[in-house]
This record gives sequence, structure tokens and C-alpha cells, in this order.
Amino acid sequence: NAGVTQTPKFQVLKTGQSMTLQCAQDMNHNSMYWYRQDPGMGLRLIYYSASEGTTDKGEVPNGYNVSRLNKREFSLRLESAAPSQTSVYFCASSENLETQYFGPGTRLLVL
Amino acid sequence: AQSVTQPDIHITVSEGASLELRCNYSYGATPYLFWYVQSPGQGLQLLLKYFSGDTLVQGIKGFEAEFKRSQSSFNLRKPSVHWSDAAEYFCAVGGPLSSYQLTFGKGTKLSVIP
Repeated sequence: NAGVTQTPKFQVLKTGQSMTLQCAQDMNHNSMYWYRQDPGMGLRLIYYSASEGTTDKGEVPNGYNVSRLNKREFSLRLESAAPSQTSVYFCASSENLETQYFGPGTRLLVL
Repeated sequence: AQSVTQPDIHITVSEGASLELRCNYSYGATPYLFWYVQSPGQGLQLLLKYFSGDTLVQGIKGFEAEFKRSQSSFNLRKPSVHWSDAAEYFCAVGGPLSSYQLTFGKGTKLSVIP
């Protein structure tokens, strides 16, 4: 039982490049989330998916898109990366929108 | 709108001393409250949570927190800190009014002196 897994662990991009961050959970949870963490800012919600087939914007959605591929997987896409998107990205999942369980994170550096 | 304030950015305590980390929240009804811990380079681990009922909740690693509605607080406590408790601690609030979206505080970094 791996919980929430994220790939890659670390990525360096040049401004304007695109990439997809992958997240999978094996807890059969209905809801999944993407957060970004910046120094001194705590975690801020980018997008979430309350259930398979639905996605909604969070606090900071600009510059990102998401896909809930199936119940297990929730990906985050940066279409044209910008230096302001340098951050640590965390995926989380929860059953019925309550307690969230987090993955290990993806560190992204945009040059 | 919901919000969380963690007034202390950084706290240093000696090993064996007691610990209290402060958390104040704003929410329009009875909130769901959480404490998470993050070790360097790691994800967030749930320490404890409050949904309803007994206002004193016990968590993992010997931590506890008390929900005080009159003070809009949910402070985290531990009677005797261990060196391995050095980490960053995040308080979060959510609930049905916000479709269970969590709002996190900015975190308190705990350093432990051996």
C-alpha cells in the first residue's frame, strides 16, 4: 500500500516548456488535490477533483490544467512554464472530502 | 472566507521541554481542524484532526490539541519534546461551508536544542 505517489521527484524546465506532473493513489479515495508550497506561504490549493469526472479551481489555478484520468490518477499540466511556477507541488487524496493524505512532492525549478 | 493564522514563524525549545504551537482560525461554522507535520524534503503527515465531539484530541507521536470555540483556537501541545520532533508544523481549517477545501496556515518551524 504505497498511499499517494508522485512523479517526477524533481524537474528543471526552461521558461515556456511544458510538462505534466503525475499523481496516483491506491487508497480508493474519491477526492484528489493539487497544492503548491512556497517558502513562507504554506500550501495553496491549485485544483481539486471531488470525484472521478469532476474538477474545480482552487485558490491559484492560473497557468495550470488538470485531468482526472480515472479514480486513481490526477495529473497537473503546465502548458508554458514560467519562473513564478518554481515551487514544490503536492498531490493529496481523501475519502469523501474529509481527511487529506499527501504525497512526497515534486520539486520544480523553472529557469 | 476561512483563514488560519499561525503567529509563530519559528520556535526553538530544548529537548525534554514542553511545547505549544498556536493556531487561530476563522470559519463561519464548526470547523474541521487539522495539524500536519512536515520533515525537511518530505510530504505532510497528519498528526491529528478535530471534526466534532471531545474538544481535546489525541494524535500520533504524543501530540494533542484542544479546540476552543470561544477563542477560535486549536493549539498543538506536547509535554516533552524529542529531537526528532524538529520539523515544520501546519494548521489547517476546512469543512462543509467551503466544500471541504482546506486552508493552511503559513507554518511554524520547530527547532530542538539537544
